Amino acid sequence: AQSVTQLDSQVPVFEEAPVELRCNYSSSVSVYLFWYVQYPNQGLQLLLKYLSGSTLVKGINGFEAEFNKSQTSFHLRKPSVHISDTAEYFCAVIHGGATNKLIFGTGTLLAVQP
Amino acid sequence: NAGVTQTPKFQVLKTGQSMTLQCAQDMNHEYMSWYRQDPGMGLRLIHYSVGAGITDQGEVPNGYNVSRSTTEDFPLRLLSAAPSQTSVYFCASSYSVSANTGELFFGEGSRLTVL
Repeated sequence: AQSVTQLDSQVPVFEEAPVELRCNYSSSVSVYLFWYVQYPNQGLQLLLKYLSGSTLVKGINGFEAEFNKSQTSFHLRKPSVHISDTAEYFCAVIHGGATNKLIFGTGTLLAVQP
Repeated sequence: NAGVTQTPKFQVLKTGQSMTLQCAQDMNHEYMSWYRQDPGMGLRLIHYSVGAGITDQGEVPNGYNVSRSTTEDFPLRLLSAAPSQTSVYFCASSYSVSANTGELFFGEGSRLTVL
């Protein structure tokens, strides 16, 4: 089954520390990968996406992610987090054969502490 | 900019009642979809539509109906509500006919409780 796995349900981190949120997807001939962020009591908004080309993708708010085909991963990173980055982060995937179905992971709560 | 508008924001139902969650977008997006969000399960796709008159099932379609008579509107119907349908529901749309290249724009969600 097409799927995406987020290995950590919650990641606590101190302000100004680096962070990595992990995401792995089930292998497919072609994939499109996304990271979305959800702030409390809001809908989701797109952070970044990988469709093709460069495997290092830069998004909004200083986040970036690297597509690693051999490890079927798309981990999200930020070198220095702020309190305002506290939110839930969702990895999502579209497999090439099902272009209309964006499948989300279970989410990772990033809790930034002062 | 209204974007994606969902109504109601909150609703409490009794088991067996029916209701419709409304979703409207003013961006002329062809693609629209409904998700439900449950703790520890992320977002799961219920139904989606790639244009007026065209709908299809997602991961968890049972117990829900949809229709797409106009580009702007994509209502989600619960015919006979069950406690298992207690959830937060999100409508999302995209300018792309498919979801694979376009950014999904989300509404603010509708919190449904079924007693």
